[in-house]
Amino acid sequence: SQQGEEDPQALSIQEGENATMNCSYKTSINNLQWYRQNSGRGLVHLILIRSNEREKHSGRLRVTLDTSKKSSSLLITASRAADTASYFCATDPGGTSYGKLTFGQGTILTVHP
Amino acid sequence: DAGVTQSPTHLIKTRGQQVTLRCSPKSGHDTVSWYQQALGQGPQFIFQYYEEEERQRGNFPDRFSGHQFPNYSSELNVNALLLGDSALYLCASSPQWGTEAFFGQGTRLTVV
Repeated sequence: SQQGEEDPQALSIQEGENATMNCSYKTSINNLQWYRQNSGRGLVHLILIRSNEREKHSGRLRVTLDTSKKSSSLLITASRAADTASYFCATDPGGTSYGKLTFGQGTILTVHP
Repeated sequence: DAGVTQSPTHLIKTRGQQVTLRCSPKSGHDTVSWYQQALGQGPQFIFQYYEEEERQRGNFPDRFSGHQFPNYSSELNVNALLLGDSALYLCASSPQWGTEAFFGQGTRLTVV
């Protein structure tokens, strides 16, 4: 079963614009991760944020986590055509279930040149 | 570093047959997890192997089984294939008690 729900399901923007994707989840987590997938191939890890962190940056990526609302957001600034892909959030419950990732349905991002 | 490698890339099987998928983890990683990703969906956790034993399992029937070898490589076996088993099967590796998972390019299984 899918733990997370991602919003929006699809996002279409122009190059240079910012893209924001949201993820909600249901149970307690140790960390939340964001992945990118191009054309149904393997997933590429983007960023990991732990449950005791509120915000994290990596290059053009900014991730926030609100554990009280059980939600996270991924912001991609100054989008490029190469950012076109599906983006997934994944939660890791930690403890005895460490590494058992539960993924959301994903957001399909299209960046037009 | 070759990263996580999976074989084969594509596979077509007939309903009722059995299939074996293979995965070599990233160098230095001893934990391997398998995921099933249906078209248009997010990946779903099948099981995880560590020290040649199944450490965790998702909600998949016993038709799905696996193995991990001493060199940490892993196999996923699916028996009595159903049409609904058609999906992209992803292997991921991570260091012991590691955090981020590194994924292979996947095996696209089509059951006809």
